[in-house]
Amino acid sequence: QKEVEQNSGPLSVPEGAIASLNCTYSDRGSQSFFWYRQYSGKSPELIMFIYSNGDKEDGRFTAQLNKASQYVSLLIRDSQPSDSATYLCAVRGFYFGTGTSLTVIP
Amino acid sequence: SQTIHQWPATLVQPVGSPLSLECTVEGTSNPNLYWYRQAAGRGLQLLFYSVGIGQISSEVPQNLSASRPQDRQFILSSKKLLLSDSGFYLCAWNPGGGYEQYFGPGTRLTVT
Repeated sequence: QKEVEQNSGPLSVPEGAIASLNCTYSDRGSQSFFWYRQYSGKSPELIMFIYSNGDKEDGRFTAQLNKASQYVSLLIRDSQPSDSATYLCAVRGFYFGTGTSLTVIP
Repeated sequence: SQTIHQWPATLVQPVGSPLSLECTVEGTSNPNLYWYRQAAGRGLQLLFYSVGIGQISSEVPQNLSASRPQDRQFILSSKKLLLSDSGFYLCAWNPGGGYEQYFGPGTRLTVT
């Protein structure tokens, strides 16, 4: 079983919609969770981190963590074409999923 | 502010040739440093990390090695490249005590 699993997509949403990206992890003892955005050909950039159960909001982004169910999600509200990228979930800092490709259609 | 540099940006090397990739961080001291590889269609794989000069931990045994000769310098090396070493090599840093990763621009390596 992989440490971190993500649906590879691609996920397509219309401009202005909510994009929902999900990630599950295997280590029940994990305490730190991160979301990164990676544009094609570029390096990943950190967009959010979450340590506690519940929701954490930062602008149009909301991270949700459910440790009992071992999943973490990222919601992007009012999606823009500039949000089109691959979104990587990371657990315990260094263990990355393979990413979900998001395309926002104008 | 902190800046992380990697070079070269792209590299094409024949099988069996040596490799040296360099990463430097500016604007901070005592950073944790990391090397990752991202192969086509695969996730980021942690290769090495370092919490201080001369301190290297290896996550994946393979034909690569890493060194940290100075506080803000991290080097990835190989004596003989394999075809399977092709990929996007990323250096990252974070302040000691954290788990977030701040990535450099990366080196795209093609082994032919």
